[in-house]
Amino acid sequence: QVQLQQSAAELARPGASVKMSCKASGYTFTSYTMHWVKQRPGQGLEWIGYINPSSGYTEYNQKFKDKTTLTADKSSSTAYMQLSSLTSEDSAVYYCARSEENGNYDWGQGTTLTVSS
Amino acid sequence: DIVLTQSPATLSVTPGDSVSLSCRASQSISNNLHWYQQKSHESPRLLIKYASQSISGIPSRFSGSGSGTDFTLSINSVETEDFGMYFCQQSNSWPHTFGGGTKLEIK
Repeated sequence: QVQLQQSAAELARPGASVKMSCKASGYTFTSYTMHWVKQRPGQGLEWIGYINPSSGYTEYNQKFKDKTTLTADKSSSTAYMQLSSLTSEDSAVYYCARSEENGNYDWGQGTTLTVSS
Repeated sequence: DIVLTQSPATLSVTPGDSVSLSCRASQSISNNLHWYQQKSHESPRLLIKYASQSISGIPSRFSGSGSGTDFTLSINSVETEDFGMYFCQQSNSWPHTFGGGTKLEIK
């Protein structure tokens, strides 16, 4: 069955960078786009951006464009998101989610990022 | 950006009740609207795609309707497992956006 296995929770210092992963299985990795979504505690969901693993094309939410870099490794069916210049506002759960036609999403289990000194 | 406004923010119901959750878009999004359920400490689960299309494995008591700017998720005879948060999401234009959610709670 389809699985999106995200990397473990992260604790990072303010100003640092983190790179989290999302390993896909159970489907053809290059046939779906991979999206990333942020959810802060008790708050709603924010779309960060997506990558087309087949072409490497990316699209970002302007709000996250200077913060985020999305990449994908076809050989390992893994998508990555790097967040830079971390602040406490970046503390959140981050989800990867696949989408067949850039429509609805199938979600990973989430990676919790805590930014604290 | 397209703003999705969900109402009510909280819905208190008794198991067996039938309910309707609303999602209103700030501009027309055709039928590019999807509904998710999220329980505490879990990731969202797709319930309905493209406004009214059912999803394999989702109970038939969940249904969706609407197009343009007004959308509704209906739950026919709520069960205890249905309590949690419900979000709508639009995929009509970038950036994709989500509604603020409706919390379905036990009365």
